[in-house]
Amino acid sequence: EAGVAQSPRYKIIEKRQSVAFWCNPISGHATLYWYQQILGQGPKLLIQFQNNGVVDDSQLPKDRFSAERLKGVDSTLKIQPAKLEDSAVYLCASSLDRRRAQETQYFGPGTRLLVL
Amino acid sequence: KNEVEQSPQNLTAQEGEFITINCSYSVGISALHWLQQHPGGGIVSLFMLSSGKKKHGRLIATINIQEKHSSLHITASHPRDSAVYICAVGSTDKLIFGTGTRLQVFP
Repeated sequence: EAGVAQSPRYKIIEKRQSVAFWCNPISGHATLYWYQQILGQGPKLLIQFQNNGVVDDSQLPKDRFSAERLKGVDSTLKIQPAKLEDSAVYLCASSLDRRRAQETQYFGPGTRLLVL
Repeated sequence: KNEVEQSPQNLTAQEGEFITINCSYSVGISALHWLQQHPGGGIVSLFMLSSGKKKHGRLIATINIQEKHSSLHITASHPRDSAVYICAVGSTDKLIFGTGTRLQVFP
């Protein structure tokens, strides 16, 4: 079974530029998560999708971050414009169904972003 | 105070040593997860448990729901066990992560 795919693996941009990340979850997984992990910290949930609907985006900085999952499969996360403090690893994860208790999340390899 | 606390933050060990990493949480949970993150790599789920104890190879995870505490044990540690170990609790459809324990095992 293929895992969660993410691209690019690394990205270096200057502040105020835009950047987009892509995630392809495991086939059949209804729930998709985007996390931000700053060096030395645990992952922080940015947004959670159930199929193509947003379940939780309470910690997404909506003035600069946006995410979509139009067909309920692939997802993109965009930052526009980027700030220095956005430097982090952006992790995508998926699970079968958030409505089931005790659901395992499967993580992608992450995209490491460096904002200069 | 963080909802999920791990200790220690950093841990070094000699190959073969028995290792324990602790996790305490303050929220109601449906399950607790232990995750492993290698440098430059993604996160791998090691265990998901809601009671008792689970064992997989040299790894053992225990949870005490009443005390809101879980431990991850590694027996006969090996340099390839070097990674960050993250405790995460499942609460109201989301995971709340600890900051991780960085383990280095030296030959």
